[in-house]
Amino acid sequence: TQLLEQSPQFLSIQEGENLTVYCNSSSVFSSLQWYRQEPGEGPVLLVTVVTGGEVKKLKRLTFQFGDARKDSSLHITAAQPGDTGLYLCAGVWGSGYALNFGKGTSLLVTP
Amino acid sequence: EAQVTQNPRYLITVTGKKLTVTCSQNMNHEYMSWYRQDPGLGLRQIYYSMNVEVTDKGDVPEGYKVSRKEKRNFPLILESPSPNQTSLYFCASSQTDRGLYEQYFGPGTRLTVT
Repeated sequence: TQLLEQSPQFLSIQEGENLTVYCNSSSVFSSLQWYRQEPGEGPVLLVTVVTGGEVKKLKRLTFQFGDARKDSSLHITAAQPGDTGLYLCAGVWGSGYALNFGKGTSLLVTP
Repeated sequence: EAQVTQNPRYLITVTGKKLTVTCSQNMNHEYMSWYRQDPGLGLRQIYYSMNVEVTDKGDVPEGYKVSRKEKRNFPLILESPSPNQTSLYFCASSQTDRGLYEQYFGPGTRLTVT
């Protein structure tokens, strides 16, 4: 099992603030995915990054893949209560078939 | 509608009583997988299947069995459940042609073993 670390573990902010969460590994990913999970539901895919240095934007969410493909970040601009949830990163290494998940960042955005 | 379905959604059972959680997907995906999610431990893969009749162990396979006799179905079997298998279980599926394994998750099954 490849170790995938996410930080921070918990984050509580007020509506309108910006935030960044991180996903790190000592190994090189072939691809990395970000999911969001709301209470009582299954995770939902937000984005997949494949190329080192890649930046993808999804409305107020910006995803960045590190140049060395060992780390990734998720930046949320002007957070809203609807952004509340558990953010999970998941990596695929080499030609493996299994997806390894980080433990997640639990985000609470209060009005 | 493209979806992954799981049944039952909630299950309370007793130690040692065999149970099966069903999983079905309608997206013609080759890859299917089972995860369990526990507080502080995150999502951990139990078993996965690359295609019909092809299954392999994930990180925490002990106490579980799976089978893949049809492409759309991937049931999870607990032959003799124990309290440490109390957890939230998710089934997921994905395509494999791009090598990305982007997972579509089911709604989850909350299992309690007393």
